[in-house]
Amino acid sequence: KAGVTQTPRYLIKTRGQQVTLSCSPISGHRSVSWYQQTPGQGLQFLFEYFSETQRNKGNFPGRFSGRQFSNSRSEMNVSTLELGDSALYLCASSRGQGTDIQYFGAGTRLSVL
Amino acid sequence: EDKVVQSPLSLVVHEGDTVTLNCSYEVTNFRSLLWYKQEKKAPTFLFMLTSSGIEKKSGRLSSILDKKELFSILNITATQTGDSAVYLCAVDPGSYQLTFGKGTKLSVIP
Repeated sequence: KAGVTQTPRYLIKTRGQQVTLSCSPISGHRSVSWYQQTPGQGLQFLFEYFSETQRNKGNFPGRFSGRQFSNSRSEMNVSTLELGDSALYLCASSRGQGTDIQYFGAGTRLSVL
Repeated sequence: EDKVVQSPLSLVVHEGDTVTLNCSYEVTNFRSLLWYKQEKKAPTFLFMLTSSGIEKKSGRLSSILDKKELFSILNITATQTGDSAVYLCAVDPGSYQLTFGKGTKLSVIP
């Protein structure tokens, strides 16, 4: 069974640009969660989607947005990039119901110059 | 605000040693506690704990949860260099919004 796939693996952008990251969940999983990982703050929750609906959102500005498609694939968008957005962005998939395990992808490393 | 605290933040041991990693939490709601191992990029799942006092084991790794005292421990016996990683503890309050601790960086020296 294929794991969680994130693309691209690395991105370099400049301040003010926008970026879109993609996540394909494990087959059969309907929930996708996104996390930002930085050395100072650790892993912080961004948002979670289930059946194309955002169920939860973390404490991030509106520049961070996401969506989920009917095949459960998800995208995350960051607009007007700031230097502080440089981080490893991880997505995790799960069944999305009941007591559940989130399985993580390898992440997208975003560097903002 | 939900909080997960791991200790120690880093640890250096020699191969063959036994280590205990700690995770305490303060959360409004609790459904499960999860342990992950992160070596390069993707955190890989180790254990999920939902009930107090029931030890989960996988090879040389084991973990237990105390819901009364709000903590969990992860034990690794006979450590190997391949155990070198950051170990993450996370709490699921039931909303698929995991709250993570800062992690414990374990270094195993040959």
